Amino acid sequence: AQSVTQLGSHVSVSEGALVLLRCNYSSSVPPYLFWYVQYPNQGLQLLLKYTSAATLVKGINGFEAEFKKSETSFHLTKPSAHMSDAAEYFCAALRGTASKLTFGTGTRLQVTL
Amino acid sequence: SQTIHQWPATLVQPVGSPLSLECTVEGTSNPNLYWYRQAAGRGLQLLFYSVGIGQISSEVPQNLSASRPQDRQFILSSKKLLLSDSGFYLCACQREFAYNEQFFGPGTRLTVL
Repeated sequence: AQSVTQLGSHVSVSEGALVLLRCNYSSSVPPYLFWYVQYPNQGLQLLLKYTSAATLVKGINGFEAEFKKSETSFHLTKPSAHMSDAAEYFCAALRGTASKLTFGTGTRLQVTL
Repeated sequence: SQTIHQWPATLVQPVGSPLSLECTVEGTSNPNLYWYRQAAGRGLQLLFYSVGIGQISSEVPQNLSASRPQDRQFILSSKKLLLSDSGFYLCACQREFAYNEQFFGPGTRLTVL
């Protein structure tokens, strides 16, 4: 069975600092991987996805993620945090037929002045 | 482009009352549709998915049911709500021309008292 683990339910960074949100997946076959962002009381918005092409994936809002098979990781980064980045971030893996998603438990990002 | 409508946006219901949440999709045809629940402090859990009219698959045993009476309509129901049914319910559809992506609706916040 496939699982997704996000280390750190809360991450706090200063504005302008590096953002690093961790995600590890468990699968015998590298899956399709996704990062979604959720602002309060809203649905999820896709930030970026890995589909077995380039291992470094660039997304919206300056975010990027690197797929590392040897570490079974897909960490999300942004060089310089902005106040508007404060939100909850979910890592997800595609599994099985019908394109079902398995989500991590999420990481809430706080950006301070 | 695809649009997902969910209503109501918020709902407060007493324990034991029935439930009907509706999701409609515009801008695509014959999509896979999904219902997720996000409980407080937890990640997203897939409840049901549908690959076509009248075709419903349940992911976890629960107090809820789903139906798909039309191609772009997905309904989540319960005959008698439990306190544990409280949460944020998200409808999603498979993105057209990007079959490994899911596009999410704005969600319904359900509070069972």
